[in-house]
Amino acid sequence: AQRVTQPEKLLSVFKGAPVELKCNYSYSGSPELFWYVQYSRQRLQLLLRHISRESIKGFTADLNKGETSFHLKKPFAQEEDSAMYYCALRANSGGSNYKLTFGKGTLLTVNP
Amino acid sequence: SQTIHQWPATLVQPVGSPLSLECTVEGTSNPNLYWYRQAAGRGLQLLFYSVGIGQISSEVPQNLSASRPQDRQFILSSKKLLLSDSGFYLCAWSVGGSSYEQYFGPGTRLTVT
Repeated sequence: AQRVTQPEKLLSVFKGAPVELKCNYSYSGSPELFWYVQYSRQRLQLLLRHISRESIKGFTADLNKGETSFHLKKPFAQEEDSAMYYCALRANSGGSNYKLTFGKGTLLTVNP
Repeated sequence: SQTIHQWPATLVQPVGSPLSLECTVEGTSNPNLYWYRQAAGRGLQLLFYSVGIGQISSEVPQNLSASRPQDRQFILSSKKLLLSDSGFYLCAWSVGGSSYEQYFGPGTRLTVT
């Protein structure tokens, strides 16, 4: 079975500082990895996926299969980045490809 | 455009009472539908998912059940609520045949007293 681990429940940084939200996964096959974000009083939404290799709102994430990691990074944090971030995995096999396995989330606070 | 609705927004129920939470999707056909529970410290836990009418997969054995009576309607139920059923319940949908981007509803805050 697949598993997603986000080791930090809380992360606090100052505005302008770099930020890295950690995500590690456990899956024997070739997974798809995603980051979802939930801003205060808003719905949970997709931030980015590893396949597209794009930068969204200044965030990037690289899939490292050797380390089984998919850390989310931003060089200069902004106050509006404060939110709950979830890492998620989709297993590409059989019936499991209909669902996402989420980590427990990291609450990021960017202080002024 | 597609939209997803959940109701009620908040609910307070006594232990032992029944539960029915409803989720409907508009603007798409044959979506995959999901029920999650979001709890502090426990993250987002998938409870049920459905790839078609009458097709329900349960991820976590518990006091809850789900049904999909219509293509775009997903219902979460319980015959007798437990205190441990308290939480924030999220419904989500994705395009049929793919699940990588799920679209979440506003959620229902359930408090069992």
